[in-house]
Order: sequence, then structure tokens, then C-alpha cells
Amino acid sequence: AQSVTQLDSHVSVSEGTPVLLRCNYSSSYSPSLFWYVQHPNKGLQLLLKYTSAATLVKGINGFEAEFKKSETSFHLTKPSAHMSDAAEYFCVVSAPLGNEKLTFGTGTRLTIIP
Amino acid sequence: GAGVSQSPSNKVTEKGKDVELRCDPISGHTALYWYRQSLGQGLEFLIYFQGNSAPDKSGLPSDRFSAERTGGSVSTLTIQRTQQEDSAVYLCASSRGGTGELFFGEGSRLTVL
Repeated sequence: AQSVTQLDSHVSVSEGTPVLLRCNYSSSYSPSLFWYVQHPNKGLQLLLKYTSAATLVKGINGFEAEFKKSETSFHLTKPSAHMSDAAEYFCVVSAPLGNEKLTFGTGTRLTIIP
Repeated sequence: GAGVSQSPSNKVTEKGKDVELRCDPISGHTALYWYRQSLGQGLEFLIYFQGNSAPDKSGLPSDRFSAERTGGSVSTLTIQRTQQEDSAVYLCASSRGGTGELFFGEGSRLTVL
């Protein structure tokens, strides 16, 4: 069984400052981990994924995430926030590829302050 | 279209009525998923189709919920005798399988009065 915990339901940052969205996972297997983003009234879109290759994963729109097994974490970061980053972000875990029933976290709403 | 298409985008129904939600996945995608998103909640897995294999129905919340996928393409999620707690956005996604990348539709918002 696997699960994810997103530690913050809401995060607010000023435009141009760093973004940190926290995620901790629990998995009986070596997990595959993902971050998805949902802009208002839009479908979810994959930001990045970790599948046991490099522990630092780069995604779209300048986001990246680091897999830390010792901390069971997969936090999402971005050096400088942009107004267009305002959205809901979901941390997601699955069993190793081949079993694709994804388990979603409850989401973190990111607000960007002008 | 190039993406996952869902219909209707909005559905308002009375308690006790049956509803059908449709999903048209990306052409060539073998895997299809249904999730439910309630206000303030994460995405709740409902059902997963992969090719010709038996679907994984482990997430369906009750026997009022069912889904089928005809010809390995279009899927219909049916909710019988709707209840107010069924109100949510129902999201469909498809994937090529084996990648972990799901492509989501924009959802069907169901409101049960």
C-alpha cells in the first residue's frame, strides 16, 4: 500500500521568491512519485516524475523535486515564483511502473502575491 | 480532438435519479481511469481499465457505481439512485500504459440536489 501526505493545504509566496511545496510518502515498494498541477477550471497536468533514476528531477515551468529516501520526502521547489504558477498542486505516488493506480495527496493551493 | 474529452461538463440532477458520464480518451491510449474530486479533497481513485484486462474496480464506493469501456475506447461511468454525497467533479484520464503519465480531461461536475 502507498500514500502521500502534503503538509500544507495552502502556501502563499510573493512573486519572484522561492516556492517550496512539501510532500512525504509512504510505500511498501520502491515508489514512483509525481507532481501534477491543476490550474483553475483546467484538467490536471504532469509537472514531473521520479522513477528511480536521478534523485533530482526537473520538470516543466522551472519546477524541480528531489527524492530523499532517508526522509521519505519528495518536495517540489522553484527558485522564483511567477504569477502563472498560482494553481493547485498534487503529490502522487504509485507502485513501480506496471501498476498505475495512482494515489493522490489532498493538494496544496499555491497563491502568488504580486 | 487531441485531448481527453468528457461530457457533460456540468450535470445537475435530483436525488434518486441515475446519471451517465462519458469519457473519450486520447486515441491509442490503452489505459483509462476514473477519479472523483470532492471540494477540499484529493483525487479519489474509482476504477482503472487497461487494455483487455479485467478492470480494477477497487475504488468504486458502492454498488450504485459502475463503469464500462466499449471497444477499448470510450468509457461511461454510471451512478444509479444518486445521493447528495455523490456531488463532486468526476475526472477521467488516459495513458499509453507503462509511463505513469496520465492525461486528464477537464471533468464532469455533478450536483445532486
